[in-house]
Formats: sequence, C-alpha cells, structure tokens
Amino acid sequence: DGGITQSPKYLFRKEGQNVTLSCEQNLNHDAMYWYRQDPGQGLRLIYYSQIVNDFQKGDIAEGYSVSREKKESFPLTVTSAQKNPTAFYLCASSIGRQGKETQYFGPGTRLLVL
Amino acid sequence: AQTVTQSQPEMSVQEAETVTLSCTYDTSESDYYLFWYKQPPSRQMILVIRQEAYKQQNATENRFSVNFQKAAKSFSLKISDSQLGDAAMYFCAYRTGGADGLTFGKGTHLIIQP
Repeated sequence: DGGITQSPKYLFRKEGQNVTLSCEQNLNHDAMYWYRQDPGQGLRLIYYSQIVNDFQKGDIAEGYSVSREKKESFPLTVTSAQKNPTAFYLCASSIGRQGKETQYFGPGTRLLVL
Repeated sequence: AQTVTQSQPEMSVQEAETVTLSCTYDTSESDYYLFWYKQPPSRQMILVIRQEAYKQQNATENRFSVNFQKAAKSFSLKISDSQLGDAAMYFCAYRTGGADGLTFGKGTHLIIQP
C-alpha cells in the first residue's frame, strides 16, 4: 500500500535538545518537502529536495536541517537554534519537480516543547 | 513574493446546500498552478482540486468546482450538495511552474449544519 509515513505522531522536545522527525515514502517520488503549520495559519515551507543528495531552503529554514541520502527518506532535524518549535509538521512528496505535479501529504508530526 | 489570501476565516452552510469559498492570489508569473486542499480534524491534507493557469476551462471534480478568474487573480471553490463529511479546513495554494514548494492561504473553516 503506497503512501507517506511520518513518525512519531507526537514528539516532545526539551530545551536545548535537537530532535529528528522521520518522513518515508514508497511512491517512488523524486521530490520531497517539509512544511510547518501553526494554529490558525496555513502551511509554510521549511525545506525541499528535488533529488537525492540535494535540497533547498524554503521560507522558514532557520533552526532546521535536513538530509536526503535515500530517495524514499527525508528526515527533518529541529535544532536548539529554533526558538519556537511547537507546531504541526507535515511532509509531502511529488513525482517530479515541476509545478504541475501534485504534492501528497503524510499524516504529520505534532512537536511540543517541555 | 507570491501571496495567497483567503478572506473568510469561517463559513457555515446547511447540509445539501451550495457554498463558495474565496481565494485571491498575487503573482507576476505567467506559468503557475492553483490547488484547493482539505484538512479534516485528522489533519491529513487531501487534494480536492487543481487548476492550471494556462487552461481557461474551470476544473471540476464531482461536487467540487472552481471559478478561476485569471485577470482578477481569483480562484474560488464551489461545493455543491454539501455533506457532513465536507466539514474541514480548506486551504487554497499556489505554485509556480518552476517547482519549489506550495504557498498556502490561512484557510477557511467550513461548518456543515445538519
């Protein structure tokens, strides 16, 4: 059954701690994306990757880092430099890099700060 | 920078009636794509409908249709025969032809009255 999985569903971060959110897809999609959603807000782009071993900053990349070592995986690390990390994080993928390609979303990870 | 505006934070409609959600956008690009996504309480983002800017014909998907006014930079979503399962947040999104991520509006909360 093809799709996008994100884990964990809930994640708690202590002050000064780095945490990593997992995103895996078995759709054979080339492009993957990370978005952040705050209450009452739309989604904002953090990072995106159009191909393995390459990624680009989005609108709000400060305090985040990513890697793309495998086509199916695009983990997001929330570093201690991100001062307001509490949000809902959504991963997405699309078959190609062109604008016409539909982005499909995972179920999301809720990050809370202790 | 491209912006997407949804001026209706909340809309309410009686079951079986028709409702229209508004969206305007600002861009200087000629090649772009527009999308409506639905986010139910599960928070999974689901594509409802998409429109290519170069197409004059309005997109339709069963009970969902759009009114795309390119000169006015308007992209409204019409839901016919509203059903209880349509209750959700609806987000309008924009993407250029050159890839990178989606730009989202802040969303409209749609309530269906039984």
